[in-house]
Amino acid sequence: DIQMTQSPSSLSASVGDRVTITCRASQNIRTYLNWYQQKPGQAPKLLIYVASNLQSGVSSRFSGSGSGTDFTLTISSLQAEDFATYYCQQGYSTPITFGGGTTVDI
Amino acid sequence: EKQLVESGGGLVQPGRSLRLSCTASGFSFFDSAMTWFRQAPGKGLEWVGFIRSRGYGVKTEYAASAKGRFTISRDDSKSTVYLQMTSLRTDDTGVYYCGRDRYGDHNMPGDVYDTWGQGTTVTVSS
Repeated sequence: DIQMTQSPSSLSASVGDRVTITCRASQNIRTYLNWYQQKPGQAPKLLIYVASNLQSGVSSRFSGSGSGTDFTLTISSLQAEDFATYYCQQGYSTPITFGGGTTVDI
Repeated sequence: EKQLVESGGGLVQPGRSLRLSCTASGFSFFDSAMTWFRQAPGKGLEWVGFIRSRGYGVKTEYAASAKGRFTISRDDSKSTVYLQMTSLRTDDTGVYYCGRDRYGDHNMPGDVYDTWGQGTTVTVSS
């Protein structure tokens, strides 16, 4: 199984901050890496697919990069509605696996 | 608008069975792969398994935790995917979500989920 490791597991930030979350895969997954945002009591929401493609309707302050084993999600200027938990997910092979999540709070 | 609605969750005793449903609208269910996920209380997301479309042989795959106990099936005439769960354990407790692949259906790699249901809660307890 491909293990996905996110860091940090949590971070505190302020509105307007630039935030970076990293995700590392235990083996080469090329660019088959996706990012989701989840708020309490809600379903996950797709933000970025195939490492760097912005899902339709998602703010351009979200961006993704990386390939192989190392990936990054960046929020360029944190907004109040961005306080949430973020998950990476590899779509390279089954079993599909997620990172442990990064909680962004104030 | 693409939409998924799960149902069937509830309180069940260990060792019993439960069937969850996920009904789709707003997209072509017939040629979409459908996936089940779950999330234990306060924990992260876990993939349970998927079912491919008829065009991809209605293939199913399962997580190790689900294999042999859970079965995913689909009824294209009802735009519904099911998760039959047997021999339930306390660690099966959580919110269960269904999801649709952004690309409809395809061979791996590339599974990514752009549509999720609101989730249905399963509690396994005596």
